[in-house]
Amino acid sequence: DAGVIQSPRHEVTEMGQEVTLRCKPISGHNSLFWYRQTMMRGLELLIYFNNNVPIDDSGMPEDRFSAKMPNASFSTLKIQPSEPRDSAVYFCASRPSRATWETQYFGPGTRLLVL
Amino acid sequence: AQKVTQAQTEISVVEKEDVTLDCVYETRDTTYYLFWYKQPPSGELVFLIRRNSFDEQNEISGRYSWNFQKSTSSFNFTITASQVVDSAVYFCALSEVMRTQGGSEKLVFGKGTKLTVNP
Repeated sequence: DAGVIQSPRHEVTEMGQEVTLRCKPISGHNSLFWYRQTMMRGLELLIYFNNNVPIDDSGMPEDRFSAKMPNASFSTLKIQPSEPRDSAVYFCASRPSRATWETQYFGPGTRLLVL
Repeated sequence: AQKVTQAQTEISVVEKEDVTLDCVYETRDTTYYLFWYKQPPSGELVFLIRRNSFDEQNEISGRYSWNFQKSTSSFNFTITASQVVDSAVYFCALSEVMRTQGGSEKLVFGKGTKLTVNP
C-alpha cells in the first residue's frame, strides 16, 4: 500500500515567490496534518484537517500561510509570499480517524529553501 | 500544558553496545498515548511504537525494547546490540486532546535524540 505522498520533495525558491506543497494521504485516512520541522523549533503542528474540514489552524505562523483540503485524497499548503525564515522541512501526516489512539503516518517531507 | 522532554540531545556509541534513549512526559490527562518515531538521515519519519497509558507492560521487538513507567512519567527506548543502521534521530511523542471544537488531537513531540552508532 502506498504511504503518504508529498510533492515536491525539494523546492528552492526566491523570497517573495509563491510556494505550494502537496500531499496525498493514505487512502481511507480521514485525518490529515501539516507539520514544519526546523532545527530551532523542532516539529511543529501547523494545521489539522478531519474529513476535509480544518479543525485547528492555530499553528499556522501568519497570514502568508494557507492550507486547503478540497477532497479526501489531496491537500495543499501554500506560502505567499515566501520568506527565508520559511526554510524548513514540511511534513504531511495522515491518520485513519480522529481517535486519539490512532497512529499518524508521515510522508517523506518537502525540503523548502527560500533564498 | 503537555510536554515531552528528551534530555539527551546526542548520543554516540560503538556498534554492539546497548543504548537507552530517555523520554519524560507531562500531562494532566488520565488517558493518553505515547509514541516513538525514527528519523534516519534520509529524513522520513518512521513510526516505531504506540503505547496507551493503561498498558505498562514492557514491549520487545527484536533488538528494540520499551520501558513505560507511569510512576516516573517515562517511556524509555532501548536498543540492544546497536548497529550502524540504527543511526538516526529518535522522537518521543505524546498524544494530546486539544480543548478545541470537537476535542481534536495532536502529537506533542520531544526535541529528539540523535543517535550515532560507529562501526
